[in-house]
Order: sequence, then structure tokens, then C-alpha cells
Amino acid sequence: SAVISQKPSRDICQRGTSLTIQCQVDSQVTMMFWYRQQPGQSLTLIATANQGSEATYESGFVIDKFPISRPNLTFSTLTVSNMSPEDSSIYLCSVVGTSYEQYFGPGTRLTVT
Amino acid sequence: SQKIEQNSEALNIQEGKTATLTCNYTNYSPAYLQWYRQDPGRGPVFLLLIRENEKEKRKERLKVTFDTTLKQSLFHITASQPADSATYLCALVSDSSYKLIFGSGTRLLVRP
Repeated sequence: SAVISQKPSRDICQRGTSLTIQCQVDSQVTMMFWYRQQPGQSLTLIATANQGSEATYESGFVIDKFPISRPNLTFSTLTVSNMSPEDSSIYLCSVVGTSYEQYFGPGTRLTVT
Repeated sequence: SQKIEQNSEALNIQEGKTATLTCNYTNYSPAYLQWYRQDPGRGPVFLLLIRENEKEKRKERLKVTFDTTLKQSLFHITASQPADSATYLCALVSDSSYKLIFGSGTRLLVRP
């Protein structure tokens, strides 16, 4: 299994600003995913982040709003840009295990005021 | 349209009973289906994975069934305990990309 940490664990941000969320894994992994979980909702995939290539975004998510970096096999960042209250969510990163299961970080709880 | 549906109402059962949670999907042909547990304020934790050619998978008090004809998976917790109280999410993978598509989750409450 993989151990994943995220920073920050929570933040309160003002409308129009940006926040960068960090995801650190304790082992080298090829595929990393970023999800959003809006209040009371399930998880929605934002993008797939593979090291050495551009992130692949799901329908409804764009790079200008959610730029992602993947500089190496243990680290990734997701930036939430030009935030609005609708961006208030929990943001989670995950990695794929050896048997296709996924391991999730603890999440970053973002509140936009 | 594609859907993954889980009971939105909380399942409330007595300790010691078997909890059965349902996951139905439409317009997917998943290669495999997974179940996760999520506690408040935490990320989901992987529980079980079942492949399309498997009917049943067990792990300790947990059992998952997968019926590709009915397009349904059932998740059972036997001898339930208050510590099993959480939200349970089903998720499927429809292609070779490893991307998970999650259901909305069912909250389980086990009364002592």
C-alpha cells in the first residue's frame, strides 16, 4: 500500500485568489489522480497526472482553472485558480496500487469566501 | 446516460446483523468494480475489488458479489459492529485507464 500526505489539510481563501495543494507519496508511482468532493457529494475525477507528460483533464475541468504539475514520481500539485465559492470542496489525490486499487490522501478542505 | 446508483438513504441496522448495500450501474461495461469506505473528514479507504469474471469475493467479514447481467454489485458486512458505521462507496473502471467512477455512497449506521 502507499501512504499519501497532502498539504494544506484545510484553508479558507478569498474569492479571486489561488491555492496550490501538494500531494506527496511515500513510493514512486506512475499514475496519480486528483479528485474533487463537493459538500455531501461523491468524488469526481478532475484529472490524471502522469510524470513526464501533460495532465489529462476530465470533461468540465480545464487546465487554466486547475493547473497540475508532476515533477517526479512521488509528488504532484494541483492549483485552484481564481477561486469562487463554488470551488469550496475537498480535494483529494490518489495513486494506483499493484492490483488496480487506489490509495487516497486525507484530502484538503477548501472554503472560499 | 451513464449512471452509478447507490441508496441515498442511510442504512440503519442493529449490531450483529448483516448489512447489505447495493450498487447499480447503467450503460457501463466495467472491467472491475471496487468498494471503498469513507469516514467523515478522511479520504476513501480501499476495501475490495471484484472483476467482471468473478461472481463473489470475500475478505474477513466482507463479501462482494458482482452480477454483470443485472448490472449490480452487492456489498455485505456480516456480524456488523458500531465501528463499521461509515459511508461506503462503490466505484467502477470502464476501460484500461484505471480511472474510477464513483457512486454517490450509502451511509451505514450500526446501532449498539
